[in-house]
Amino acid sequence: NAGVMQNPRHLVRRRGQEARLRCSPMKGHSHVYWYRQLPEEGLKFMVYLQKENIIDESGMPKERFSAEFPKEGPSILRIQQVVRGDSAAYFCASSPDWGQTNEKLFFGSGTQLSVL
Amino acid sequence: SQQGEEDPQALSIQEGENATMNCSYKTSINNLQWYRQNSGRGLVHLILIRSNEREKHSGRLRVTLDTSKKSSSLLITASRAADTASYFCARGSGYSTLTFGKGTMLLVSP
Repeated sequence: NAGVMQNPRHLVRRRGQEARLRCSPMKGHSHVYWYRQLPEEGLKFMVYLQKENIIDESGMPKERFSAEFPKEGPSILRIQQVVRGDSAAYFCASSPDWGQTNEKLFFGSGTQLSVL
Repeated sequence: SQQGEEDPQALSIQEGENATMNCSYKTSINNLQWYRQNSGRGLVHLILIRSNEREKHSGRLRVTLDTSKKSSSLLITASRAADTASYFCARGSGYSTLTFGKGTMLLVSP
């Protein structure tokens, strides 16, 4: 059973470009969470999605950031017109269908976004 | 902040010693979890303790929870160099998603 898969592992973008980060949850999981981690900081919650629905996006900036989790395919975190402050590690996590929102999470290895 | 806050920020010990990390929080919880992160990797779940539990063990890990003090501790006994990592507590509250603290960086020297 493959774990949570994130790609790319590293992503370099120039200011103003778009960044697309992908996450495939574990098999049997339909809850996906995106977190951002700055150096020597903890994880900051961004968005929580279930298939085709955004459940909680309270941690996601209103501008330039969007997320989706379509019926088919991975979850996508999209950052438009990236700025240097977007440089961070972005982690995706998933949880089982039968669990509550705040039960054990399974994390991917993250995408390190660097904005030049 | 409603996040869990770990203490100390960094801890350096020798192999074989015990490591204790603490976590404090401000609001009521359903559960409190501890995760481990190796450098450049994702977080790995270690243990979950529910609000009606006071202590839990898993191998060399021992977690305690004091809801009256809104605090938890993680004890790693007989530490090994491979335990070197960052350790985060995460608070589960109501139907909200988990919120994480800033972590404790543990260095175990051979």
